[in-house]
Amino acid sequence: DGGITQSPKYLFRKEGQNVTLSCEQNLNHDAMYWYRQDPGQGLRLIYYSQIVNDFQKGDIAEGYSVSREKKESFPLTVTSAQKNPTAFYLCASSAADGALEAFFGQGTRLTVV
Amino acid sequence: GEDVEQSLFLSVREGDSSVINCTYTDSSSTYLYWYKQEPGAGLQLLTYIFSNMDMKQDQRLTVLLNKKDKHLSLRIADTQTGDSAIYFCAERTGSNYQLIWGAGTKLIIKP
Repeated sequence: DGGITQSPKYLFRKEGQNVTLSCEQNLNHDAMYWYRQDPGQGLRLIYYSQIVNDFQKGDIAEGYSVSREKKESFPLTVTSAQKNPTAFYLCASSAADGALEAFFGQGTRLTVV
Repeated sequence: GEDVEQSLFLSVREGDSSVINCTYTDSSSTYLYWYKQEPGAGLQLLTYIFSNMDMKQDQRLTVLLNKKDKHLSLRIADTQTGDSAIYFCAERTGSNYQLIWGAGTKLIIKP
């Protein structure tokens, strides 16, 4: 079964800690994306990657970091510099940047305690 | 800058038609999309329309595009309880390949 998998589904973090969210896809997609979703707001792009070993900042990259060492994987680290990290995080992939359809993971809900 | 606007809520009776509206500002939009998000889940593509079309029908779904007014709508015929979800409108513009998202419309079904 091809798809995109995010883990964990729920994550709790203490203030001042870094935490890494996992995103893996077996769709052989070149492009991958991280979005943040807050209630009553549209999806906001954090980072995206069009090819292995390359990524670009989105609209709200501050306090986040990513890596793209493998085509299948695009982990997102929420650092202690992110002042308001509690949110629902969505990872997506598409066949190539500019393709018609983006496939989404099931999301990770991060809560700072 | 580019912007996509949607109402946050829509309430309809089961069996009625639902019409979810979206307006956008970028006239260079190439594709416009409707995605569905069920509670606690990721987004699923429902349908899309290319900017040179004005209508697309797919079973219970009808998409209307008024390019002059920059208005997109999604009609769901015979709305069922399983249609309860948040519906996102998104546009892809000619200037880059990123999607611009609306805030989502929560569809509430009344029995």
